[in-house]
Amino acid sequence: GESVGLHLPTLSVQEGDNSIINCAYSNSASDYFIWYKQESGKGPQFIIDIRSNMDKRQGQRVTVLLNKTVKHLSLQIAATQPGDSAVYFCAENVNSGGYQKVTFGTGTKLQVIP
Amino acid sequence: GAVVSQHPSWVICKSGTSVKIECRSLDFQATTMFWYRQFPKQSLMLMATSNEGSKATYEQGVEKDKFLINHASLTLSTLTVTSAHPEDSSFYICSAKLAADTQYFGPGTRLTVL
Repeated sequence: GESVGLHLPTLSVQEGDNSIINCAYSNSASDYFIWYKQESGKGPQFIIDIRSNMDKRQGQRVTVLLNKTVKHLSLQIAATQPGDSAVYFCAENVNSGGYQKVTFGTGTKLQVIP
Repeated sequence: GAVVSQHPSWVICKSGTSVKIECRSLDFQATTMFWYRQFPKQSLMLMATSNEGSKATYEQGVEKDKFLINHASLTLSTLTVTSAHPEDSSFYICSAKLAADTQYFGPGTRLTVL
């Protein structure tokens, strides 16, 4: 079946630098994408989302870029802080059998070096 | 707003017993809730989609007779793991859909089956 995957399992970044987490997706029918942050032992926390009719969306210190041509999604975190250390998942919203569901990618662990 | 709770946070049980996990949307009504399972250092895997007042829709490979889902109200869905075995030990996470696409996740329930 189609899936969402990530290029880098672990990313180490110096505090204060910018972080870029990448994600490749394969379902061209996906119309909505979400980035989640998950800290150890906790549920995923919504960060930012983007619809397929957009190519960029900005939030507070975070930016999501969508390139539908190459089916690529990225999350940019500006001025990375120790509190940003977590596992980040991209997810795509797909229509399956008449209902919608969210499929998660494999995750990238972000380590912020003080 | 958009807070989802789960109870219990963690549970340890003996093999062969049944365990019920509750998922509640605290400040909104959710016609659709989702149940995920997450093994250590892995991504979230959708188990089933729970619709208020109707039968849940299970993902391929998920035993509906083992993982009983009840969505009796717009704010409560329950997952019962029947005759639990050690291989059922996992982190179970629910989510509730607020707007058309946005899902908010609960904090998760850690199940350990001895």
